[in-house]
Amino acid sequence: RKEVEQDPGPFNVPEGATVAFNCTYSNSASQSFFWYRQDCRKEPKLLMSVYSSGNEDGRFTAQLNRASQYISLLIRDSKLSDSATYLCVVSDSGGYQKVTFGTGTKLQVIP
Amino acid sequence: NAGVTQTPKFRVLKTGQSMTLLCAQDMNHEYMYWYRQDPGMGLRLIHYSVGEGTTAKGEVPDGYNVSRLKKQNFLLGLESAAPSQTSVYFCASSYPRQGRYEQYFGPGTRLTVT
Repeated sequence: RKEVEQDPGPFNVPEGATVAFNCTYSNSASQSFFWYRQDCRKEPKLLMSVYSSGNEDGRFTAQLNRASQYISLLIRDSKLSDSATYLCVVSDSGGYQKVTFGTGTKLQVIP
Repeated sequence: NAGVTQTPKFRVLKTGQSMTLLCAQDMNHEYMYWYRQDPGMGLRLIHYSVGEGTTAKGEVPDGYNVSRLKKQNFLLGLESAAPSQTSVYFCASSYPRQGRYEQYFGPGTRLTVT
């Protein structure tokens, strides 16, 4: 079983739609969780950290379910500019040592 | 404030040649990392550094060496390049924010080994 698993997609959604991605992780001792976005042929960029109580940043909502060992990302009112690959990132000690990236979920927002 | 920069952006090597990739950051971050990204594999950690003068192995360190002589620079060396090292290499740096180490990436180096 992969340490961090994501549905590769692609998710093709119309503008204005709501879309959700899930990511599962295998290490129950994982402590920190993040979502990054990566545009084609570009570097990953931090989208948001994921906190235990869930957190929201504009149209983006991230949630953590420790019991089931998954994190989710919800994007509301999708924009064309949201088209990218979304990477789930899990760390076992705050982020600087054992950091595991998922392979990403590709989102294509269609006009 | 340039953030994280990488040199070069592209490189083609022949098998057996050597090269050094340079990563520089101007954010005064203690921690720096080298990753490689291959299709379907996600980013994999090669080596990392938690401070000037210190380095440690990551998930896929074989065939690579690193040095962190100055806090702002992290060098990745390939002593004898192999076709399996064809990849996109990303450098990142991080600092603790509320106990979490959010990573900031450079633009990447696309390396082809023939």
